[in-house]
Amino acid sequence: EDKVVQSPLSLVVHEGDTVTLNCSYEVTNFRSLLWYKQEKKAPTFLFMLTSSGIEKKSGRLSSILDKKELFSILNITATQTGDSAVYLCAVERRNRDDKIIFGKGTRLHILP
Amino acid sequence: NAGVTQTPKFQVLKTGQSMTLQCAQDMNHNSMYWYRQDPGMGLRLIYYSASEGTTDKGEVPNGYNVSRLNKREFSLRLESAAPSQTSVYFCASRPSGGYNEQFFGPGTRLTVL
Repeated sequence: EDKVVQSPLSLVVHEGDTVTLNCSYEVTNFRSLLWYKQEKKAPTFLFMLTSSGIEKKSGRLSSILDKKELFSILNITATQTGDSAVYLCAVERRNRDDKIIFGKGTRLHILP
Repeated sequence: NAGVTQTPKFQVLKTGQSMTLQCAQDMNHNSMYWYRQDPGMGLRLIYYSASEGTTDKGEVPNGYNVSRLNKREFSLRLESAAPSQTSVYFCASRPSGGYNEQFFGPGTRLTVL
């Protein structure tokens, strides 16, 4: 059965800290891995990763994929209170059915 | 462009009542999805539609039906609501063909008493 597992499920850090969020997957016919940020509303897209070892970066956020070990990490440096959110990892399958599988998310809380 | 719209935003039902959640997108996307989100459970796929005229079950389809009315609209129906269906429901869409992110609607918060 396909699955996406995120860790930790919850994390509390102080403003200015660096955090690393993990996502591992077991999915047949992997095509891409996606990261989303969800505040008190709908998820918003952060990154799509398709190739191993190539870092995607946007400001203080960065992410990398390891297709051999089947995981991805999302790093946030110099965290701010506005980074408090649930971070969701999802995997797209290379399949005609167009299904996307989400993990349970990591709830990140940044203390001022 | 409105993106993905959902109605209603909030709904309270009694056990056994029925209702339909509406979703529409104006981005000409082929694929549409219905998810439910419960505390600590991430997004769980209820049903999805890879193209107009096709629908498939996701992880948690029991108690729900869907209709892909046309390319724009994908509705979710609860025939006989149960308290276990209390959740936030998100609709999403994306272009088909792979390597595309999903665009989400604002969600419907449903409470079943």
